[in-house]
Amino acid sequence: KNEVEQSPQNLTAQEGEFITINCSYSVGISALHWLQQHPGGGIVSLFMLSSGKKKHGRLIATINIQEKHSSLHITASHPRDSAVYICAVRSVGGSNYKLTFGKGTLLTVNP
Amino acid sequence: GAGVSQSPRYKVAKRGQDVALRCDPISGHVSLFWYQQALGQGPEFLTYFQNEAQLDKSGLPSDRFFAERPEGSVSTLKIQRTQQEDSAVYLCASSLLAVVMAFKETQYFGPGTRLLVL
Repeated sequence: KNEVEQSPQNLTAQEGEFITINCSYSVGISALHWLQQHPGGGIVSLFMLSSGKKKHGRLIATINIQEKHSSLHITASHPRDSAVYICAVRSVGGSNYKLTFGKGTLLTVNP
Repeated sequence: GAGVSQSPRYKVAKRGQDVALRCDPISGHVSLFWYQQALGQGPEFLTYFQNEAQLDKSGLPSDRFFAERPEGSVSTLKIQRTQQEDSAVYLCASSLLAVVMAFKETQYFGPGTRLLVL
């Protein structure tokens, strides 16, 4: 079983819809990252969370440490939001510089 | 303000060929990471450098994989006698601080090198 599980694997939405992507993890963590990867491109860090909620523009990320769960929300989705969204965690302890990644969620937003 | 750059962006190699992948981190960044991303998967950790010191190479899949960062800036990932299972995107990332503070840090990723071994 992967330490980081994302759902759904694929998500298709119409422009303007509210999007939620979920991430569950099984290890103790010091931080959780949400990342965006466009086809053929590199990875961009969207959020780093250790508790609570963060908001940046139309993106909102929440984390529940007790439940080992995080969600990424996109409000008023747009075709340019189409990308792979990846959840990654930093474990506690000596190797906390390492990121363990989920497999990603492929989001397609149609106009 | 240059970000992390990688070269080449694409590499096609014949099985058995040696390849070298280059990463130029953001200037002044102490930490440098290499990741391997197979098709349809999330990235997986390969190795970590703090300046020129390779502090963790536990993710390197075999002794055919070798990484170096001799002057604490540019890094090279070398794969000897490439195999088809080495086909993947190889991502480099850097962050400003050293490992002690790394848990607070954002990593900045390069565009990756897509390696195809035929």
